[in-house]
Amino acid sequence: DQQVKQNSPSLSVQEGRISILNCDYTNSMFDYFLWYKKYPAEGPTFLISISSIKDKNEDGRFTVFLNKSAKHLSLHIVPSQPGDSAVYFCAASARDSGYALNFGKGTSLLVTP
Amino acid sequence: KAGVTQTPRYLIKTRGQQVTLSCSPISGHRSVSWYQQTPGQGLQFLFEYFSETQRNKGNFPGRFSGRQFSNSRSEMNVSTLELGDSALYLCASSLEPASIFHFGNGTRLTVT
Repeated sequence: DQQVKQNSPSLSVQEGRISILNCDYTNSMFDYFLWYKKYPAEGPTFLISISSIKDKNEDGRFTVFLNKSAKHLSLHIVPSQPGDSAVYFCAASARDSGYALNFGKGTSLLVTP
Repeated sequence: KAGVTQTPRYLIKTRGQQVTLSCSPISGHRSVSWYQQTPGQGLQFLFEYFSETQRNKGNFPGRFSGRQFSNSRSEMNVSTLELGDSALYLCASSLEPASIFHFGNGTRLTVT
């Protein structure tokens, strides 16, 4: 069963605006969360991560928010740029299961000029 | 620093055959993981190797196996190929299991 869910298969945002990508998880043992970005014909590229002891992590235009009680995390991209158009994968891991990554099915982001 | 290198990039096999995929991790990385990506199931964890030992395994049949060499390079093998094994196989490496994993560009396997 899918323990990490990205319920929006696609998202379209105008350049300069905020992109918000959402992710929900079911396993309360997950203690580390990551976002990867994937372009066609390439492997996923690590973007940003957050530990379960934090509720926010920021890196330039990218911010990840974690709401443990709701088992929900989100990735904010501000401002969005056309080069951000890609598929974004949310992933979660647990120390108890050896840090194997559990991935969502991805959200395809399109940033239009 | 070179990234994770996977060979070959594309592979076509027929049902019943076996296949071996290769992965060279980032220099200095000792942990290597393999993932299968399909349109229906998304990215699924196959197994992870650290210091030549399999330390973690996903929910895949025994036809899927792997190994890691002393230089951290890894291979995965799929025997008795089935049509459903057609997928993108991704290798990822990290310094150690609890570190960030960096992915290669994958091997696209097509089984006919």
